[in-house]
Amino acid sequence: QSALTQPASVSGSPGQSITISCTGTSSDVGDYNYVSWYQQHPGKAPKLMIYDVSNRPSGVSNRFSGSKSGNTASLTISGLQAEDEADYYCLSYTSTFTLYVFGGGTKVTVL
Amino acid sequence: QVQLVESGGGLVKPGGSLRLSCAASGFTFSDYYMSWIRQAPGKGLEWLSYISSSGNTVYYADSVKGRFTISRDNAKNSLYLRMNTLRADDTAVYYCATVRVYSYVDYWGQGTLVTVSS
Repeated sequence: QSALTQPASVSGSPGQSITISCTGTSSDVGDYNYVSWYQQHPGKAPKLMIYDVSNRPSGVSNRFSGSKSGNTASLTISGLQAEDEADYYCLSYTSTFTLYVFGGGTKVTVL
Repeated sequence: QVQLVESGGGLVKPGGSLRLSCAASGFTFSDYYMSWIRQAPGKGLEWLSYISSSGNTVYYADSVKGRFTISRDNAKNSLYLRMNTLRADDTAVYYCATVRVYSYVDYWGQGTLVTVSS
């Protein structure tokens, strides 16, 4: 099972908005609304930021939002802050025998 | 609050075996599906394995199928990963995590490092 495709890096200035894409296939992202996003700071465990495409867990800033179109899901960070600098991963349920597949990860840099 | 604490990592030679454990607390362990996820040094996350709340259903990534075995003991609130025939490319931090069926991973442990080297 190939990983979902994410850009290696995305950058933006404080206050700007950025969007991270996550491209899969009709066996995963395209066919199920089970895409989630995780933030990981260096040396730390990942943290759930968005689940089921566009839902935010309690405690996650409303600056984070998710969406999906066809085989591509997206995470948007609005009002970019220094603390948002981290790696971000998408995850999707897949109809293949592996059940879940991660994206390759995107490093977000705040300029 | 939810706590997941992995243990059992360490240095092992290629071809060797290791068993990881994950002690769960702060929630009703027997109600939750669980997963193991790993991250090689400087690399991305890789989903490895999944076990249903009862332990009757398991899934594996192709990279570990036939070599790794996931199991759980609901009476002990514990999750396990038996790893056999270890290779250098199994070197990674291994996380245990709670997973929502067909959906997302919500709680993660802090991870345990496994190093496969001669």
